[in-house]
Amino acid sequence: DTGVSQNPRHKITKRGQNVTFRCDPISEHNRLYWYRQTLGQGPEFLTYFQNEAQLEKSRLLSDRFSAERPKGSFSTLEIQRTEQGDSAMYLCASSLSGPVETQYFGPGTRLLVL
Amino acid sequence: ELKVEQNPLFLSMQEGKNYTIYCNYSTTSDRLYWYRQDPGKSLESLFVLLSNGAVKQEGRLMASLDTKARLSTLHITAAVHDLSATYFCAVDIRTQGGSEKLVFGKGTKLTVNP
Repeated sequence: DTGVSQNPRHKITKRGQNVTFRCDPISEHNRLYWYRQTLGQGPEFLTYFQNEAQLEKSRLLSDRFSAERPKGSFSTLEIQRTEQGDSAMYLCASSLSGPVETQYFGPGTRLLVL
Repeated sequence: ELKVEQNPLFLSMQEGKNYTIYCNYSTTSDRLYWYRQDPGKSLESLFVLLSNGAVKQEGRLMASLDTKARLSTLHITAAVHDLSATYFCAVDIRTQGGSEKLVFGKGTKLTVNP
């Protein structure tokens, strides 16, 4: 299976701890996105990379959040000093830029902050 | 700020019946997507609609787009239990910085009863 993969799939942490999630996009895709989804809601955009460049960050992404995509391949999303409000599903998606572009989503990382 | 509204948010229907889910959005967009999400799972791409009047069909699902009315519909024909899931529409917007992101509706939770 060469789809988008994310690790870990589940993470339970205590408030105040740091967590890091990894996303491996589909190999030829140059665009990578992070979204956050809470229960009963649609995914909300967090940030976007084209190759290794982070081109946009949502206002939802506080200073405690940082994302990287070194060498334009995998990406990491780190949350520092987690808060209970950070509990959500974190989804990664990738796409290949073009006229008929579709974002393909990974299975997500479900974060629970106690 | 772009808003994407779906209705209904909850839909319970009997097998064999037809129904339509509506997706309204508040600003001009080049593309509209429909995704399916099963409980605890990630999002599966169903349709990409690129132009006014676009219509796409896959099995018992048919999606259409009216860019003038800023309206997309997802029509379900002769529903079967396997269609039970949450359906999201998402609108692609391009930012001034040249990046792109999807703005999702809240989703329509469809339950098909025998």
